[in-house]
Amino acid sequence: QVQLVQSGAEVMKPGASVKVSCKASGYTFTKYDFNWVRQATGQGLEWLGWMNPNNGNTGYAQKFQGRVTMTRDTSINTAYMELSSLRSEDTAVYYCARAERNGDIDYWGQGTLVTVSS
Amino acid sequence: QSVLTQPPSASGTPGQRVIISCSGSSSNIGSNYVSWYQQLPGTAPKVLIYRNNQRPSGAPDRFSGSKSGTSASLAISGLRSEDEADYYCAGWDDRLNGWVFGGGTKLTVL
Repeated sequence: QVQLVQSGAEVMKPGASVKVSCKASGYTFTKYDFNWVRQATGQGLEWLGWMNPNNGNTGYAQKFQGRVTMTRDTSINTAYMELSSLRSEDTAVYYCARAERNGDIDYWGQGTLVTVSS
Repeated sequence: QSVLTQPPSASGTPGQRVIISCSGSSSNIGSNYVSWYQQLPGTAPKVLIYRNNQRPSGAPDRFSGSKSGTSASLAISGLRSEDEADYYCAGWDDRLNGWVFGGGTKLTVL
């Protein structure tokens, strides 16, 4: 069965960077894109960007351009999302989510809470 | 301000049929698939409908999706208490080159 297992909660200082991992299993890692979506407490879903794990191509939401980097390690079927220059407004649960190429987001990771606080 | 527009809340009594709307534009719903996600409190979203009206295995057939022009809707029939959750619509936006979401609809089963 498809599983996306994310790394644990993080507490970061303003200005720091955080790197969240998402380990995939139950399917061929390179055949589906990864998307990263965040959700602040009590708020809706906000898309950060996507990555094609087959070739490393990425696309980022304009709001996060220059601050977000998405990478992968195909040897361990793991995708990463790094967000830099953290501020308090970045406090949220960050989800990785699988999407068919030119299709829909179908499976989601369990989420990683990132708290930015001095 | 979400790109896709949903009502913030909806409600119904057990057994009733409830419809949640999602309004977009020609660059998203008008030209791409719509999917719907259910988010129970404290959990990750789960896909209910993909490609406008397809149900993944495991999704109850009480849930159905439709799309017309730049709008989509999720219908829930035979409402149950366990359907109480937040529901989000989503789709790819060709102008923004990214996924866009509705603001979410909180469904209350009275």
